Amino acid sequence: DQQVKQNSPSLSVQEGRISILNCDYTNSMFDYFLWYKKYPAEGPTFLISISSIKDKNEDGRFTVFLNKSAKHLSLHIVPSQPGDSAVYFCAANRGAQKLVFGQGTRLTINP
Amino acid sequence: DGGITQSPKYLFRKEGQNVTLSCEQNLNHDAMYWYRQDPGQGLRLIYYSQIVNDFQKGDIAEGYSVSREKKESFPLTVTSAQKNPTAFYLCASSIVAGLTDTQYFGPGTRLTVL
Repeated sequence: DQQVKQNSPSLSVQEGRISILNCDYTNSMFDYFLWYKKYPAEGPTFLISISSIKDKNEDGRFTVFLNKSAKHLSLHIVPSQPGDSAVYFCAANRGAQKLVFGQGTRLTINP
Repeated sequence: DGGITQSPKYLFRKEGQNVTLSCEQNLNHDAMYWYRQDPGQGLRLIYYSQIVNDFQKGDIAEGYSVSREKKESFPLTVTSAQKNPTAFYLCASSIVAGLTDTQYFGPGTRLTVL
């Protein structure tokens, strides 16, 4: 039962353009969402989060949008930079800080 | 420098042997977690601990055991009962096990069982 889904295994974007990573969830009880960035053979690094009482949260080049009615969130990175090439995971909090992770999307930024 | 350390980075073991993965944090976090990552999959929760001397099973606890004798340490033992132990293991911690407390991850240990 995949409660958090990232349907795009990979995404390729040109440097300087916008990268949009998508995530869908099925459990309406989830009320806090996080995005992590992961390089190979390293631990995930926290990027940005959003509470269900908001529909947008912004931090520098990173913006997360939440559409509760559609059970959908997205991460926008603008402008995209070569160092953004990594695997991005979305995660949902189901209480007591138990996170449910999506499968990840591999983002490649092309020069 | 505050952070989470996991050692070793790579670990090889023969089938049938128990192996213990180390996780230490000096962030003064109360809660600690163990996850497993397999290729093409997200992270799956093995065990978590909200306070010293207490821990709960996650989604895939079978074949694993943990202890939490000190606030800063949360070792994970992969026992011979774990059917597919080869994976990338990640330890994380958070200030408390609250709704909005972000989990911070260590660098991971890649375990290969031969």
